Amino acid sequence: DSGVTQTPKHLITATGQRVTLRCSPRSGDLSVYWYQQSLDQGLQFLIHYYNGEERAKGNILERFSAQQFPDLHSELNLSSLELGDSALYFCASSPRTGGNTGELFFGEGSRLTVL
Amino acid sequence: AQRVTQPEKLLSVFKGAPVELKCNYSYSGSPELFWYVQYSRQRLQLLLRHISRESIKGFTADLNKGETSFHLKKPFAQEEDSAMYYCALKPSGTYKYIFGTGTRLKVLA
Repeated sequence: DSGVTQTPKHLITATGQRVTLRCSPRSGDLSVYWYQQSLDQGLQFLIHYYNGEERAKGNILERFSAQQFPDLHSELNLSSLELGDSALYFCASSPRTGGNTGELFFGEGSRLTVL
Repeated sequence: AQRVTQPEKLLSVFKGAPVELKCNYSYSGSPELFWYVQYSRQRLQLLLRHISRESIKGFTADLNKGETSFHLKKPFAQEEDSAMYYCALKPSGTYKYIFGTGTRLKVLA
């Protein structure tokens, strides 16, 4: 399957801890987007990378950081975790900046539970 | 502020009835608008985009700039349409896609 791959699928951790979520975009896609989906909040845009460079930032907390590596995979780092960080974190990729077809291809998400 | 509003969390209709999923957006420029769908146990995927003016699986959506709306419609709902639907806005010249909170559509037999 050459679709967007996210690991881990599920993660349970404690408050104050740090976790890393990983995303591998579709083969050939240069853009990676991160979204957070909390209960009743819809998909909240966190950050966008294009070919290794940060291009747009949304409502991303200072405790969160991300990067896109030369092989185009991306990691979202969440530190000093709080209960409210429990959510489903989605990664999506697109071929360019999304301006071509406008389509985002989503992963299955990583469900983070902070206890 | 740029925002997408989907006022209904849940919409239940009977099979064969018309469906309209509402989407309103807040943006002063020329938007690109999309509908994404997530069927049970599947990934979120693009359903349609306004610039294509296409009909997918019998669904259509028309951009109404005066009312800042992009409602999704289907004349006759099918059980397989049951899913979560998200409206999304991409402000021109940006790389952000702003999603609404989603509407769960349940088509009853």
